[in-house]
Amino acid sequence: EVKLEESGGGLVQPGGSMKLSCVASGFTFSNYWMNWVRQSPEKGLEWVAEIRLKSNNYATHYAESVKGRFTISRDDSKSSVYLQMNNLRAEDTGIYYCTRPYGNYALWFAYWGQGTLVTVSA
Amino acid sequence: DVVMTQTPLSLPVSLGDQASISCRSSQSLVHSSGNTYLHWYLQKPGQSPKLLIYKVSNRFSGVPDRFSGSGSGTYFTLKISRVEAEDLGVYFCSQSTHVPFTFGSGTKLEIK
Repeated sequence: EVKLEESGGGLVQPGGSMKLSCVASGFTFSNYWMNWVRQSPEKGLEWVAEIRLKSNNYATHYAESVKGRFTISRDDSKSSVYLQMNNLRAEDTGIYYCTRPYGNYALWFAYWGQGTLVTVSA
Repeated sequence: DVVMTQTPLSLPVSLGDQASISCRSSQSLVHSSGNTYLHWYLQKPGQSPKLLIYKVSNRFSGVPDRFSGSGSGTYFTLKISRVEAEDLGVYFCSQSTHVPFTFGSGTKLEIK
């Protein structure tokens, strides 16, 4: 069974930093691209970032709204993907989901974690 | 970015009824590969979204056959043939033809 478990959310002040983690199980992690998707009442569901495989030189892609502030990374030895978030803004508030696509190049989100809540507020 | 517009925002139904949700995209979702990357998700209260339908009409593993998807180009439909209590929640359409991937704002299926 595929499982994705996020952690690291909480309350942070505007301009602050936070690092989210996601541990995966039930599949060969190193074989799959991984993504972060967030959800807020104001913006709904929003794709945030993607990281590809070692064979793709761990290529990354970001939504324009987070480019330059967020960094996605992975540790295949720990079956984990991370999202380092810097210079956080109020509009970054939301539930952050770790997601795995159906397959590489098959970019629909077949598996989701339970999410971790990030609140950016003074 | 491709804008995904869902209608209606709220859909009151009686159990056993058929339900239909529409999704329109601001650009054609036909990829250069010839595939159309339009997908449907269901988010039940307190849960994360779950994949129902991928590439317009393909049911994901374990999804009952009362769910069906159709459409082409910029107009798509999700139908539920006989609504059951477990189907209640918010339905989202999403596209992955164009980057960034985008989602509709959701349609809440609720009991009449």
